[in-house]
Amino acid sequence: KAGVTQTPRYLIKTRGQQVTLSCSPISGHRSVSWYQQTPGQGLQFLFEYFSETQRNKGNFPGRFSGRQFSNSRSEMNVSTLELGDSALYLCASSLGRGLLRGEAFFGQGTRLTVV
Amino acid sequence: AQSVTQLDSQVPVFEEAPVELRCNYSSSVSVYLFWYVQYPNQGLQLLLKYLSGSTLVESINGFEAEFNKSQTSFHLRKPSVHISDTAEYFCAVSLPIYNQGGKLIFGQGTELSVKP
Repeated sequence: KAGVTQTPRYLIKTRGQQVTLSCSPISGHRSVSWYQQTPGQGLQFLFEYFSETQRNKGNFPGRFSGRQFSNSRSEMNVSTLELGDSALYLCASSLGRGLLRGEAFFGQGTRLTVV
Repeated sequence: AQSVTQLDSQVPVFEEAPVELRCNYSSSVSVYLFWYVQYPNQGLQLLLKYLSGSTLVESINGFEAEFNKSQTSFHLRKPSVHISDTAEYFCAVSLPIYNQGGKLIFGQGTELSVKP
């Protein structure tokens, strides 16, 4: 079956703009989590969605937001982009709440560059 | 709060040599433990996990990790590495709690470089 699909793979934006990233989980998976990966901070948890509701949130400013649709697809939005938002954004899907319901499968990520 | 420390940022090793990637964690409650591997320009792939039971867990490609509760460690080992094992390896923990299980806390990663 198809894996986790993230679009687009690469993105270049200008400071001050906003961006929307998309994640399609594995069919049947209902939980989607987002992570930011940078050389300096490593992998950091952004938020988790399940059944269209945000269930958990990391320590990121309010410029970072997300949502989940009824088909479990998720989008992440970053407004008023800053240079420090340049990162690889990874999406992970799992069957249900908590990793007890199966492992988390990661997409290939979206590489965002802010200039 | 939980934290994960990977003691080596880079590990160079020759092909067919053994390797150990070290991971220590800090938590006041029990955690689940994971090792993920990331190849260049790719996402993360689960290598192995410890949830409960036997403290020694193995992957299908020859890696193994041992959970040591007293030392709060989960070191990754392979007796003989291949060039294809060159990648970045991440140790991670999550809480076995329903409303926190979706959050993985990662270490900073260890770059394994296998040389011929």
